[in-house]
Amino acid sequence: EVQLVQSGGGLVQTGGSLRLSCAASGFTFRGYGMSWVRQAPGKAPEWVAIISGSGRSTYYADSVKGRFVISRDNVKNTLYLQLNTLRVDDTAVYYCAKDTSPTGADDDPVWDSWGQGTLVAVSS
Amino acid sequence: DIQMTQSPSSLSASVGDRVSITCRASERIGKYLNWYQQKPGKPPRLLIYAASSLQGRVPSRFRGSGSGTDFTLTISSLQPDDFATYYCHQSHTLPYNFGPGTKVDI
Repeated sequence: EVQLVQSGGGLVQTGGSLRLSCAASGFTFRGYGMSWVRQAPGKAPEWVAIISGSGRSTYYADSVKGRFVISRDNVKNTLYLQLNTLRVDDTAVYYCAKDTSPTGADDDPVWDSWGQGTLVAVSS
Repeated sequence: DIQMTQSPSSLSASVGDRVSITCRASERIGKYLNWYQQKPGKPPRLLIYAASSLQGRVPSRFRGSGSGTDFTLTISSLQPDDFATYYCHQSHTLPYNFGPGTKVDI
């Protein structure tokens, strides 16, 4: 059974940093592209970042480019999101999500498994 | 960026009703359109991918159609478990935007 278990998150002040983790099990982690998707209260989900199975390619939403870094450790089967220079409008529940395709590609992402979500709250 | 719109933004329906939700993309995206269902406090759940392919273990009352810019999610006979918010999502071009959602309630 695929499992994505998230940790990290919490309350931080504007300008601060956090690291989110997503521990994966039940599938060949290195074979799948992974994404982070966030959802502000009462809003639609927003794709944040994607990383290929190998970790060699990454892409970001413009709203986080230059501030957030997606990475993965294919030995520890863990996905990460480093959040830097946080702003109030980064407040959201952050989800990690696994792509359906076992090609490890970073395009055409379709997410069939999701983490439980972790709240990041940024205060001024 | 490709913008996604959905209509209606909300609808009220009864068990057994046929429900249709429309999603429109601001540019042609072929069949790179996916539908997710979300309930409060839970992550989104994949229902339909590639516009019309049913994800495993999703009931057959869910049907997706369309291509290009116009897409539809149809629930043939609404069940109590289907009351939720539905989002379309384009996976054609970065950034991979979602629609604003359609809330289905009683």
